[in-house]
Amino acid sequence: DTGVSQDPRHKITKRGQNVTFRCDPISEHNRLYWYRQTLGQGPEFLTYFQNEAQLEKSRLLSDRFSAERPKGSFSTLEIQRTEQGDSAMYLCASSPRAKGPRGEQFFGPGTRLTVL
Amino acid sequence: QQPVQSPQAVILREGEDAVINCSSSKALYSVHWYRQKHGEAPVFLMILLKGGEQKGHEKISASFNEKKQQSSLYLTASQLSYSGTYFCGTELPPFTGTASKLTFGTGTRLQVTL
Repeated sequence: DTGVSQDPRHKITKRGQNVTFRCDPISEHNRLYWYRQTLGQGPEFLTYFQNEAQLEKSRLLSDRFSAERPKGSFSTLEIQRTEQGDSAMYLCASSPRAKGPRGEQFFGPGTRLTVL
Repeated sequence: QQPVQSPQAVILREGEDAVINCSSSKALYSVHWYRQKHGEAPVFLMILLKGGEQKGHEKISASFNEKKQQSSLYLTASQLSYSGTYFCGTELPPFTGTASKLTFGTGTRLQVTL
């Protein structure tokens, strides 16, 4: 297993366009997270899946954002009608099933989005 | 609420020691520490559990003071490879509706020089 992968690594789009990112977690990791990171800041939680169920979504997340994990494997994050404020690094992380305290989260390389 | 990290930045000479602190205003279940190099993804270092457990990773160790809701990361005999931004991520107790998400601090930028 080579770790968490994300595609694309970079995306440049014009304001108002829709974009979709993909995340492939480490196989057998049932937990998957999406974070957003802007320059000089720590990752900010967006949403969380356990298997195919989306269990939590940040209240800060606009309705323009939607995420899916249809078969409990890969996940997609879609941003509709992009705005310049959406420009950021979008990180995906996965972690294995764990009892008690949650295990470490393994991060992917991220997708850097630039909205012009 | 975002945990507060201090200092914001530190410059060390190779071989020197450093301490990075992470404080929360909420009762925590665990604290995670990550290091991120420029342009790369965060890399997991360790998890600290409530109860004051101290975990080690090579020459990097950490502690968690449950009474103060504060974690400290100790870097001893720093190496050039330690350079990067260190983030703490805090986890609230189960059944608080937080689904194991991590809330990250603003980071501490560490630069190790020769």
